Amino acid sequence: GAVVSQHPSWVICKSGTSVKIECRSLDFQATTMFWYRQFPKQSLMLMATSNEGSKATYEQGVEKDKFLINHASLTLSTLTVTSAHPEDSSFYICSLYSSGRARLRDNEQFFGPGTRLTVL
Amino acid sequence: GESVGLHLPTLSVQEGDNSIINCAYSNSASDYFIWYKQESGKGPQFIIDIRSNMDKRQGQRVTVLLNKTVKHLSLQIAATQPGDSAVYFCAEGNQGGKLIFGQGTELSVKP
Repeated sequence: GAVVSQHPSWVICKSGTSVKIECRSLDFQATTMFWYRQFPKQSLMLMATSNEGSKATYEQGVEKDKFLINHASLTLSTLTVTSAHPEDSSFYICSLYSSGRARLRDNEQFFGPGTRLTVL
Repeated sequence: GESVGLHLPTLSVQEGDNSIINCAYSNSASDYFIWYKQESGKGPQFIIDIRSNMDKRQGQRVTVLLNKTVKHLSLQIAATQPGDSAVYFCAEGNQGGKLIFGQGTELSVKP
């Protein structure tokens, strides 16, 4: 399957700073990437859908001005948490989506390893 | 301290036994369903999927059953091994790829 990397794997920052998380597809060109957030002992919650070359689509309740998503190429999407606060501390996970591509199963998503954000 | 709603349902089984993990989904119009395994500190890992026009699908040591009448999905793991210990999530999906994840179940395998 597709190989997805995230960088950094973990980050600790002070309240008020901005943090950028990268999601890279190492061997597959992804037109669509998804960003999820996961709090401890909870499920994954979809934050936004990132389409290459266009604006991201955010889920209800997710502030687009706080969580900036840039999908500038078919292999890279970034999530920037602006003015981070302790309540933004979470596990952020990206995924690649395949739609009918020969290399991947239809409708299969491949997930990155996640980024642990801790805001002090 | 602990809060209501922050505890995953847990299932504890003996090594070698079969495990059954259940999931209730919400959207009767979902096109497909996927089971994922998530180990601590890692991203979800695909286990098996099933389309909405099927009621059973088998993989290696795993079987997924879909009951659309009651909107219920189950994952059966045969001969459970310690390496199967993880949190298991069901997810429902539609064209376009958006997934809605279920609550998750923590599987603990005792050697």
